[in-house]
Amino acid sequence: GAVVSQHPSRVICKSGTSVKIECRSLDFQATTMFWYRQFPKQSLMLMATSNEGSKATYEQGVEKDKFLINHASLTLSTLTVTSAHPEDSSFYICSASGRAGTEAFFGQGTRLTVV
Amino acid sequence: SQKIEQNSEALNIQEGKTATLTCNYTNYSPAYLQWYRQDPGRGPVFLLLIRENEKEKRKERLKVTFDTTLKQSLFHITASQPADSATYLCALDGGNQGGKLIFGQGTELSVKP
Repeated sequence: GAVVSQHPSRVICKSGTSVKIECRSLDFQATTMFWYRQFPKQSLMLMATSNEGSKATYEQGVEKDKFLINHASLTLSTLTVTSAHPEDSSFYICSASGRAGTEAFFGQGTRLTVV
Repeated sequence: SQKIEQNSEALNIQEGKTATLTCNYTNYSPAYLQWYRQDPGRGPVFLLLIRENEKEKRKERLKVTFDTTLKQSLFHITASQPADSATYLCALDGGNQGGKLIFGQGTELSVKP
């Protein structure tokens, strides 16, 4: 199947700093990617839809100015957590898919810890 | 609002038995329903997809059923093995946008030798 690579797998940052997470589709072009957040023992919650060449679409309750998404090419989407706080500590996962009704391919996830 | 519920408690079974996981949903009419496996600290991995007009789908030791009247899907693993131990997630796919999924909270399966 297709491969989605996410980097870094783990990051620890100080409160108030920004962190960038990269998501790459290695063997196919993804006009759309998705960013999820997962707290321990909880479901994956969709944060935003990343659209190549246009603005991201954010889910209700997700601050677009805090979670900056850039999808500059068909193989790369980035999520930047700005002015991170301890409550932003979570597991962030990206995905890419083909047309509707097909499987989604997920990155390995990024464990963010804000201290 | 849309709601998805999976077995909230962990499921512990003996090796060789059949594991059955449940996914119920409300306030939604998915065109597709998908099942994923997630290991600790990893991203989900796709297992099976079933369409709204399909009753059952099989793949090796896996079987998925989909009842749109009951708004329920059952996921079965036959002849379970310790390597099947993981969290299993069901996800609803509206069919409007590829990859945009609504996930249940997952059921943790533990298969004892």
